Amino acid sequence: DTGVSQDPRHKITKRGQNVTFRCDPISEHNRLYWYRQTLGQGPEFLTYFQNEAQLEKSRLLSDRFSAERPKGSFSTLEIQRTEQGDSAMYLCASSRRGIYEQYFGPGTRLTVT
Amino acid sequence: DAKTTQPPSMDCAEGRAANLPCNHSTISGNEYVYWYRQIHSQGPQYIIHGLKNNETNEMASLIITEDRKSSTLILPHATLRDTAVYYCIVRANAGGTSYGKLTFGQGTILTVHP
Repeated sequence: DTGVSQDPRHKITKRGQNVTFRCDPISEHNRLYWYRQTLGQGPEFLTYFQNEAQLEKSRLLSDRFSAERPKGSFSTLEIQRTEQGDSAMYLCASSRRGIYEQYFGPGTRLTVT
Repeated sequence: DAKTTQPPSMDCAEGRAANLPCNHSTISGNEYVYWYRQIHSQGPQYIIHGLKNNETNEMASLIITEDRKSSTLILPHATLRDTAVYYCIVRANAGGTSYGKLTFGQGTILTVHP
């Protein structure tokens, strides 16, 4: 257990539905990252927050994806109108400024049917 | 960030040292070498990182060649629980515009067998 928690751990949804995932980072970590991982591939960067500011978004993050970190603590990732191609593991990681390593949560596995 | 090349898979006997190579021939002077691993169905786990000197911690040792174009992660006494995908990542210091994001390749699947 790294101290980063994600909820839910598994989500099955029908195509077209909206889903929201939550990440709770380690409390003193001001940096928060979202990654996506499909089967057999390494994680791919989606977006990054420093405190409550979203400072970088990958081109992978289409208009259907939105992420927030309203008070600089927990973060949510919402996918609207899910598609089968959204099926993946969504990973959250956190780190502290000046500290090099990122601590990953267990991930949320999304299955879109 | 510089790209890395790793063998797709390796085997190791339990109790023996596992030596995982990584090529990063285009590494820049300010880029660090990081190693993470991912055990099945878990999030990646940080192992170690280094700039140019060899590094050792409780999990592993990192040997970086003098020209910094390649490195080797050493697990000195591999156990069955070390079976995982090992990722070698090159990344600049978490400043400037990189924001510290990690760019993962496909990694090396290390299988430790009895």
